[in-house]
Amino acid sequence: AQSVTQLGSHVSVSEGALVLLRCNYSSSVPPYLFWYVQYPNQGLQLLLKYTSAATLVKGINGFEAEFKKSETSFHLTKPSAHMSDAAEYFCAVVATGSQGNLIFGKGTKLSVKP
Amino acid sequence: KAGVTQTPRYLIKTRGQQVTLSCSPISGHRSVSWYQQTPGQGLQFLFEYFSETQRNKGNFPGRFSGRQFSNSRSEMNVSTLELGDSALYLCASSWGDRDPYEQYFGPGTRLTVT
Repeated sequence: AQSVTQLGSHVSVSEGALVLLRCNYSSSVPPYLFWYVQYPNQGLQLLLKYTSAATLVKGINGFEAEFKKSETSFHLTKPSAHMSDAAEYFCAVVATGSQGNLIFGKGTKLSVKP
Repeated sequence: KAGVTQTPRYLIKTRGQQVTLSCSPISGHRSVSWYQQTPGQGLQFLFEYFSETQRNKGNFPGRFSGRQFSNSRSEMNVSTLELGDSALYLCASSWGDRDPYEQYFGPGTRLTVT
């Protein structure tokens, strides 16, 4: 069965520091991968998506992610953290043969210290 | 373009009652997926409707059901509510028939069962 693993349920960085949120997936076929962000008491907002067109994907708010097939990873990065980046981040993969079903990781809560 | 809307935003129900949640997708989208989000289980897929037909279903009991109307609006019903049904219920819409199947989420309905 497909799965998504996010290493680290909580990550804390200082403002201006590099953000790195880790995501590993398991899939027997080329996956469709996404990163979403959730602010308190809100729904999920799409940050970026991997569509196989390019391994380095740029998203909104300065985030980007690199697809590495050999490592089955899709880590999310941002060069310089901002206070407004504090939120929970979810990595997701489309379930094989079930395109309306996103399989989510457990999420990583990002804290940004001033 | 208007986003995904969900009504109501908050709901308090008593154990044993039933509840109906509503979701209006982005204009033109024909797929609506429903998810349950809890602190313990994370984000779990309930079901997906595409062009008024249930296309995929997650591992939830039959108390959870849904439907989709000809205008793509969707409703989710939970009968005989249990305390464990307290959760944030999110719906997401997508085109449903084109890669890479990214989904756009509504703000959610917070259901509390007492």
